[in-house]
Amino acid sequence: KAGVTQTPRYLIKTRGQQVTLSCSPISGHRSVSWYQQTPGQGLQFLFEYFSETQRNKGNFPGRFSGRQFSNSRSEMNVSTLELGDSALYLCASSPVGGETGELFFGEGSRLTVL
Amino acid sequence: DQQVKQNSPSLSVQEGRISILNCDYTNSMFDYFLWYKKYPAEGPTFLISISSIKDKNEDGRFTVFLNKSAKHLSLHIVPSQPGDSAVYFCAADSGGGADGLTFGKGTHLIIQP
Repeated sequence: KAGVTQTPRYLIKTRGQQVTLSCSPISGHRSVSWYQQTPGQGLQFLFEYFSETQRNKGNFPGRFSGRQFSNSRSEMNVSTLELGDSALYLCASSPVGGETGELFFGEGSRLTVL
Repeated sequence: DQQVKQNSPSLSVQEGRISILNCDYTNSMFDYFLWYKKYPAEGPTFLISISSIKDKNEDGRFTVFLNKSAKHLSLHIVPSQPGDSAVYFCAADSGGGADGLTFGKGTHLIIQP
């Protein structure tokens, strides 16, 4: 069974640009969540999608957005990039939404903003 | 305000001995706790979890203890093996998972031969 796939794995952008990251969950998993990992803050929850609906969002500015498609694949977008957006962005899927359970993480997309 | 704290950024343990990783939390609404393990250049992988109605959960070499009154949990690894060298994240959940997990900043465990 294929794991969570994230693309691209690495990317470099400059301040002011925007970026789109993609995530394909494990087949059959309908819940997709996104986390930002930085050295100083650890993993922080960005948002969670279930059946194409954003059900919750963490404490991030509106420049961070996402969506989920009917096949459960998800994208997140960051507009007007800032230096502080440099981080590892992790996508995780789970087989059910809204229930406590383990998350299956992808390897992440490492974004560097220059 | 950090709701989940792992106060030891790193921990060095000799192979074969017990590794004890600690985690404290402040939010009394947390009712489920998980430990994740992360190797460099990989995503975190689930290790073990515990519900707030229990005080211990065991899975092979890994045991998690929960002390609700102290808002403290710990992960014991016995015996420690070289492959256990990784960053360990403590995570907590409330509201059935819809609010996302709250993670600690991680503890880098180094197993010395």
